[in-house]
Amino acid sequence: SQQGEEDPQALSIQEGENATMNCSYKTSINNLQWYRQNSGRGLVHLILIRSNEREKHSGRLRVTLDTSKKSSSLLITASRAADTASYFCASANAGGTSYGKLTFGQGTILTVHP
Amino acid sequence: EAQVTQNPRYLITVTGKKLTVTCSQNMNHEYMSWYRQDPGLGLRQIYYSMNVEVTDKGDVPEGYKVSRKEKRNFPLILESPSPNQTSLYFCASSPYFAGEGVETQYFGPGTRLLVL
Repeated sequence: SQQGEEDPQALSIQEGENATMNCSYKTSINNLQWYRQNSGRGLVHLILIRSNEREKHSGRLRVTLDTSKKSSSLLITASRAADTASYFCASANAGGTSYGKLTFGQGTILTVHP
Repeated sequence: EAQVTQNPRYLITVTGKKLTVTCSQNMNHEYMSWYRQDPGLGLRQIYYSMNVEVTDKGDVPEGYKVSRKEKRNFPLILESPSPNQTSLYFCASSPYFAGEGVETQYFGPGTRLLVL
């Protein structure tokens, strides 16, 4: 089966710059979730945006959702070295036989240089 | 402390030797799920369960079994492990609200499995 896609696969920036990651998915969704993972450890939830929402903010995070294009973006403003991690989107399928499925993208590796 | 626990955290085994990875959550969540993570492939869902005695296949269920006899536990069983099941495995749980889809996942720390 096919997964969602994220781009870029890797992103390298300087502290203080903004980082933008994009995610595309293939099916109708109830919500889309973003997670962060530090080096092979467990994933930590960042933000969830529902299919009837277009934009959501949480601290330095801004997420947008365009259901017509089946895409989402995560913006981290004023990045810090501590933001260095892998970031994943996950789409929660809506309806049909795959209702309970959660499909992850392949992730974006973000490196923030001090 | 609200958490998802997995055991063991690390496991080396040989081809064909049955093994079970346990997963337990203390948040009274209805939904539980298993994922595997492989380099370059992100996370792929193996099985999920929306409540006790209800389980469904994810995207990569071949070679795995699960059961959900109690709300808090969701063990992953590899009846006859093979080297291509070498991976990092994560268990996760979340609340479930009908019509809202899968909610925010709370992940366990992961289990690193090596099958020789």
